Amino acid sequence: DGGITQSPKYLFRKEGQNVTLSCEQNLNHDAMYWYRQDPGQGLRLIYYSQIVNDFQKGDIAEGYSVSREKKESFPLTVTSAQKNPTAFYLCASSSLPKGTEAFFGQGTRLTVV
Amino acid sequence: RKEVEQDPGPFNVPEGATVAFNCTYSNSASQSFFWYRQDCRKEPKLLMSVYSSGNEDGRFTAQLNRASQYISLLIRDSKLSDSATYLCVVTDSWGKLQFGSGTQVVVTP
Repeated sequence: DGGITQSPKYLFRKEGQNVTLSCEQNLNHDAMYWYRQDPGQGLRLIYYSQIVNDFQKGDIAEGYSVSREKKESFPLTVTSAQKNPTAFYLCASSSLPKGTEAFFGQGTRLTVV
Repeated sequence: RKEVEQDPGPFNVPEGATVAFNCTYSNSASQSFFWYRQDCRKEPKLLMSVYSSGNEDGRFTAQLNRASQYISLLIRDSKLSDSATYLCVVTDSWGKLQFGSGTQVVVTP
């Protein structure tokens, strides 16, 4: 079955550590996105990518980094520079150029301990 | 100004009643429009696409008004299970997704 997979589902990080969240899709989608969601809030765009080896900052990119070496994969690294990383992280993908509906992974819940 | 705006609610709706809410978008070149549903602590899931002529899926009706740049969602005969946050999604001329912050609906017995 085609879909988008995020891992891990839950992640605990010590302060000062970098962590990488995985996002893989086998839908042959061009565009991939990372969002952050805080309790009771909407989705905020961190980074997005429309093509391999290219990505753009979203509204809250500070403290995060991404790569897009393969069409299927768009990992997100939460660096120690991110001051308040505890949140729910969602990865999504969609087709281009017109823009079909987005498919989401199940999310990663990151907690800093 | 946000590119996609929604009334956050909550809309408190008695079971069996009808509820409707809108989403406005700022980019007149927007191409595609969707409504997503998000349950607490879960990922958003596609509820329905919104077509120019309007479309219906069971108790849900979506409308697009390009002249006034808004889309709407109407839920008839509300069920307790309709309680969720409804996200409006718009794609720009490049196909990039723009999300609204969501409208919370609470259906009460």
